[in-house]
Amino acid sequence: DSGVTQTPKHLITATGQRVTLRCSPRSGDLSVYWYQQSLDQGLQFLIQYYNGEERAKGNILERFSAQQFPDLHSELNLSSLELGDSALYFCASSVAGGQKGGNEQFFGPGTRLTVL
Amino acid sequence: EDKVVQSPLSLVVHEGDTVTLNCSYEVTNFRSLLWYKQEKKAPTFLFMLTSSGIEKKSGRLSSILDKKELSSILNITATQTGDSAIYLCAVVNYGGSQGNLIFGKGTKLSVKP
Repeated sequence: DSGVTQTPKHLITATGQRVTLRCSPRSGDLSVYWYQQSLDQGLQFLIQYYNGEERAKGNILERFSAQQFPDLHSELNLSSLELGDSALYFCASSVAGGQKGGNEQFFGPGTRLTVL
Repeated sequence: EDKVVQSPLSLVVHEGDTVTLNCSYEVTNFRSLLWYKQEKKAPTFLFMLTSSGIEKKSGRLSSILDKKELSSILNITATQTGDSAIYLCAVVNYGGSQGNLIFGKGTKLSVKP
């Protein structure tokens, strides 16, 4: 158990819908990262937040957005869902998020999203 | 484009064998390289490497970074069926367009009894 929690574990929805995935980082970790993992693409970095602010952006679609709240939990919002958005979404956390280190990331169990 | 390439993509060995997994990278501003093991669900952290030539060891697993060759290897000795997993290599990169942690596609290791 990494100490990172994600809810829900599974989510089944229809195309065009909107969903919210939630992540609570390990106690003391300030950075939260979101990843998408699909069979053909492997692990893709989406976005990072550090202490409430966006720190880095990866391959995140405009239909997706995220935020980190004052209590450091984070939410990933996926809208206008398409079949291709079906994937495992991981959240990870680390102590730091800058160039001074603390890059070891601890992964949550993931949310499996199925879009029908 | 920044990239991390792992080889082989898959590997089948028998218990007791020794395996070497490879990771090479081309990134804009390298900071460190990480190895993860992914079984059924979330990746679990194995090693973080920042300095060239210094071996990190944990039980039967060891890893080393070669910054000159832009590569790293992960060795597993006396493999066991419990080592069967996907091994992911990731590079921490600052300033690249793909975000700060770039993953390879992984090496799927299957250890037969």
